[in-house]
Amino acid sequence: NAGVTQTPKFQVLKTGQSMTLQCAQDMNHNSMYWYRQDPGMGLRLIYYSASEGTTDKGEVPNGYNVSRLNKREFSLRLESAAPSQTSVYFCASSRTGTDTEAFFGQGTRLTVV
Amino acid sequence: GEDVEQSLFLSVREGDSSVINCTYTDSSSTYLYWYKQEPGAGLQLLTYIFSNMDMKQDQRLTVLLNKKDKHLSLRIADTQTGDSAIYFCAESPRDSGYSTLTFGKGTMLLVSP
Repeated sequence: NAGVTQTPKFQVLKTGQSMTLQCAQDMNHNSMYWYRQDPGMGLRLIYYSASEGTTDKGEVPNGYNVSRLNKREFSLRLESAAPSQTSVYFCASSRTGTDTEAFFGQGTRLTVV
Repeated sequence: GEDVEQSLFLSVREGDSSVINCTYTDSSSTYLYWYKQEPGAGLQLLTYIFSNMDMKQDQRLTVLLNKKDKHLSLRIADTQTGDSAIYFCAESPRDSGYSTLTFGKGTMLLVSP
């Protein structure tokens, strides 16, 4: 049981480039989330998807777009990367929106130069 | 808005007890969580407590909640070197309807032999 799988694990982008971070879960969870983790800032919610077909903004959505492709997959897109988006990105999922436990992926370390 | 505060660093000796503290501001929080993050890894849920509870014990872990002071603590008994990690306090607002967690900045626990 893989849980939550994120790809890639590491990425270096030049300013202005675009890329998509992929996330897939195999636990049949309804809700999925994207967080970013910055030193001294903890984790901040970028976007979430309460269920297949819905997405909503979190605390720091600017510069990002998301797609809930199906129940398993939730992708995060950076259309024009900026150095301020250098961060570690975590995808998470939970069985339902009000479930007590969110399961996290291993993270994607993104550097924008 | 919601805010979760933690001390940034704690150093203990192996075998001692560790106490990590957290304060939160959202009085409507339903669940309060403790997550553990080991270097290079994602977040792992350690334990959680409902806001209508005062204490929860789970093996070496004891969570204490003081709702009046909005103070949450995590006590790790007989701390081991494998407990060295960053510990995040998080809360889930009652009205959010979803597991959109608000995290503290994390407490780095260093356990020395």
